[in-house]
Amino acid sequence: KAGVTQTPRYLIKTRGQQVTLSCSPISGHRSVSWYQQTPGQGLQFLFEYFSETQRNKGNFPGRFSGRQFSNSRSEMNVSTLELGDSALYLCASSSDPGTSGGSYFGPGTRLLVL
Amino acid sequence: QQQVKQSPQSLIVQKGGISIINCAYENTAFDYFPWYQQFPGKGPALLIAIRPDVSEKKEGRFTISFNKSAKQFSLHIMDSQPGDSATYFCAASLRSGGSYIPTFGRGTSLIVHP
Repeated sequence: KAGVTQTPRYLIKTRGQQVTLSCSPISGHRSVSWYQQTPGQGLQFLFEYFSETQRNKGNFPGRFSGRQFSNSRSEMNVSTLELGDSALYLCASSSDPGTSGGSYFGPGTRLLVL
Repeated sequence: QQQVKQSPQSLIVQKGGISIINCAYENTAFDYFPWYQQFPGKGPALLIAIRPDVSEKKEGRFTISFNKSAKQFSLHIMDSQPGDSATYFCAASLRSGGSYIPTFGRGTSLIVHP
């Protein structure tokens, strides 16, 4: 089975712009979660989608949003980018989030905001 | 507020030695405790996990010890190998909306010298 794929892998934006990141989960996985990883704050949960519905949301401002499509692919969007949004954005998919065990992470998208 | 405290921040071990990483949590509602391994340029990978009704879980060279009363858990890597050199994250997960949402520790950078 192919793993979780994320595109693009690297991205450079300037302050004030917006960005959209894409995540394709493992085939058959219906849950997709997004995380932000920075040296200062570590790994933080952004939000989780299951069957096209946002089920959980972390403590991030409304500039961070996401969606999930009927094929389970997910996108996250960050509007009005700030320097502090520079981070590795990770996507993880799971077949059964209720058992928690099987979250598989993608390689991430590294975003640099100038 | 750091809900999961991980130590040490970095660890250097000789090949064949035992690597020990500790985590402590505050919220007694956490009920799933996974450990992740992350290599440079890769997303985290689930290594081993434990539920609070078990005091120890072993998978190969990796063992989790869990002390519910002390709200602490630790990862032991026996016979550490250079290939184990990576960053390790503990997490404490809370059940929410049908999923488990993790709060991560800050990570431990492990270097195993040959």
